[in-house]
Amino acid sequence: DAKTTQPPSMDCAEGRAANLPCNHSTISGNEYVYWYRQIHSQGPQYIIHGLKNNETNEMASLIITEDRKSSTLILPHATLRDTAVYYCIVRVRPSTSGTYKYIFGTGTRLKVLA
Amino acid sequence: DTGVSQDPRHKITKRGQNVTFRCDPISEHNRLYWYRQTLGQGPEFLTYFQNEAQLEKSRLLSDRFSAERPKGSFSTLEIQRTEQGDSAMYLCASSLGERADSYEQYFGPGTRLTVT
Repeated sequence: DAKTTQPPSMDCAEGRAANLPCNHSTISGNEYVYWYRQIHSQGPQYIIHGLKNNETNEMASLIITEDRKSSTLILPHATLRDTAVYYCIVRVRPSTSGTYKYIFGTGTRLKVLA
Repeated sequence: DTGVSQDPRHKITKRGQNVTFRCDPISEHNRLYWYRQTLGQGPEFLTYFQNEAQLEKSRLLSDRFSAERPKGSFSTLEIQRTEQGDSAMYLCASSLGERADSYEQYFGPGTRLTVT
């Protein structure tokens, strides 16, 4: 079962910041939040991840609330090429195999408008 | 490009036929994953390899599905006696190492299967 809840769709004007929210109220203390995006007919692309501190890289910023029950992905200056489905993922505890697993939800379809 | 590659990109088959997909992970990655994605849904985990050992299988992986990674490099996913419900995008991903704080998976472009 998905551990995250995201709005199904959002629009953003080109050049403006896109703020994509995610709720993960059942997250455990050592479970990371990952963000990926998927452009039509391609595989998911890694964006950023975090545990409890805010994170920033060349693609985006990740803001995680102090209680860790929600987070926001920020694309500072959205372009038309950022139009995609954005997935907020909780990486669950290691299974018996020792691997970390991604549990995907249905994501947010972001449309950047010219 | 040294990313994850998958072959074929598209496969159309008739119900009851067998199909096989191939995944070539990033060369130094020892962990390989298969996912299935149906229309409008996020990817769902199918199975996982560490080197050549298949360490976990989802309950989604019925007896008609088999995956191998014989030399710890490329992997194959075979579906026997395909059904229309098998129509989906099959995604492969790979990752490196066991660091708890950095474990991103890199995905291939996927193989889109259509069963008629």
